[in-house]
Amino acid sequence: LAKTTQPISMDSYEGQEVNITCSHNNIATNDYITWYQQFPSQGPRFIIQGYKTKVTNEVASLFIPADRKSSTLSLPRVSLSDTAVYYCPFGNTGKLIFGQGTTLQVKP
Amino acid sequence: DGGITQSPKYLFRKEGQNVTLSCEQNLNHDAMYWYRQDPGQGLRLIYYSQIVNDFQKGDIAEGYSVSREKKESFPLTVTSAQKNPTAFYLCASSISSGVYEQYFGPGTRLTVT
Repeated sequence: LAKTTQPISMDSYEGQEVNITCSHNNIATNDYITWYQQFPSQGPRFIIQGYKTKVTNEVASLFIPADRKSSTLSLPRVSLSDTAVYYCPFGNTGKLIFGQGTTLQVKP
Repeated sequence: DGGITQSPKYLFRKEGQNVTLSCEQNLNHDAMYWYRQDPGQGLRLIYYSQIVNDFQKGDIAEGYSVSREKKESFPLTVTSAQKNPTAFYLCASSISSGVYEQYFGPGTRLTVT
C-alpha cells in the first residue's frame, strides 16, 4: 500500500532555513512528488512538484534522491507566516496520496 | 477571478438526513476531487472524477455519492449511511487526472448531531 511518512512536528525560528523530509513508500516509476501547505480551516495550497534531482521555485526547493524513496522540502529564511502543516503527497494512478503532514511552528 | 468555490462554509444537519455539498470551478479543469479531513489528520480521498459523466471511488467512498453532469460542478452527497459524517470536506480540481498540481476550495465544515 502506497503511503508517505513525515515527522509529525518541527520547530524553527524566523530567518532560519527549514528542511522537511518525507519518505514515499511504494512510489511508482511514473509518479511525481508534490508538496502542499495548509493553514487551519483552509484548503491546501500547492508549493512545488518534482520527479528527481532538484527543483526550485520562488517559494521553496525540492530535493529528490536517485532512488526517489524520499524527498526534502527546503524553505529558505522562514517567517512567522510559514507556520502551517506541510504535506508531501505523491501521485498514484491519477490520485494524490496524502499522509498526516508535518506541523511547522515558526517562532520569533 | 478563477478558482473553486464551496458552499456553504459551515453546515449543520441532524443525524439521518442526507446533505449535499456544493463544489464549483471556473478553471476549465477536467479532473475534480473530494477529500475528507478529520481533526489533526491528513486528507483522505472520497471520490474523484477525471472527466464529465465519469467518476471513481476513492479510499473512503462508503456512505457518499457524487455526480458529474457538468464540467464545472462536482457535488457530494453525504448520505445517512455514512456512520461518522462530521468532518471538514475539501473539493479540488486539476487540469487533468495525470497532473498533480491540485487547486483546493475553502472547504465546508459539516457537523451532524
